[in-house]
Amino acid sequence: DVKVTQSSRYLVKRTGEKVFLECVQDMDHENMFWYRQDPGLGLRLIYFSYDVKMKEKGDIPEGYSVSREKKERFSLILESASTNQTSMYLCASSRGLIGSGSSQAQHFGDGTRLSIL
Amino acid sequence: DAKTTQPPSMDCAEGRAANLPCNHSTISGNEYVYWYRQIHSQGPQYIIHGLKNNETNEMASLIITEDRKSSTLILPHATLRDTAVYYCIVRQTGANNLFFGTGTRLTVIP
Repeated sequence: DVKVTQSSRYLVKRTGEKVFLECVQDMDHENMFWYRQDPGLGLRLIYFSYDVKMKEKGDIPEGYSVSREKKERFSLILESASTNQTSMYLCASSRGLIGSGSSQAQHFGDGTRLSIL
Repeated sequence: DAKTTQPPSMDCAEGRAANLPCNHSTISGNEYVYWYRQIHSQGPQYIIHGLKNNETNEMASLIITEDRKSSTLILPHATLRDTAVYYCIVRQTGANNLFFGTGTRLTVIP
């Protein structure tokens, strides 16, 4: 089974801090994604990466950056945390973007519930 | 991506089949139907997907109507652990994003 592991289930940080969220997948997937999930808004894509050192902006990249130095690891960085970034953050991975539908099934971690005080 | 419409909630007796409907009347020819579920305090879990034909795996069956404007996810013998929010998503091949709507909250009753 695919395993996507997020480093923390719960995290509390202060306004203005630099925050790192880590995600590791063990299935050699090319693609990795960071979403945030808020009540009434569903999942919104922040950034994604389709290869090492490659990154693309999603729908809401402002206030975030990412890093992918190794294929299995994708980090989300809040440069200067603000209270409106309090949310559930979900990492996902998938094998390839082009091809059959099954290769694009995204597999998710259990999320990090981040609170910014 | 085409919009999907699902009932907000459903109940199902334990051991019975759970049939979750989804309307996607604006689906286009190259869009797949995906189903995910999210159990409380966990990340979304991929269940099944299909394009035109009915599909079955160890978790569920997916029935897609001939005109592809609607589909039904079937959990053949629902258990208490199947209580979750179920999301129907229509997505183009090659698209990067997954658009999760509000889904259907399925409650399996003992």
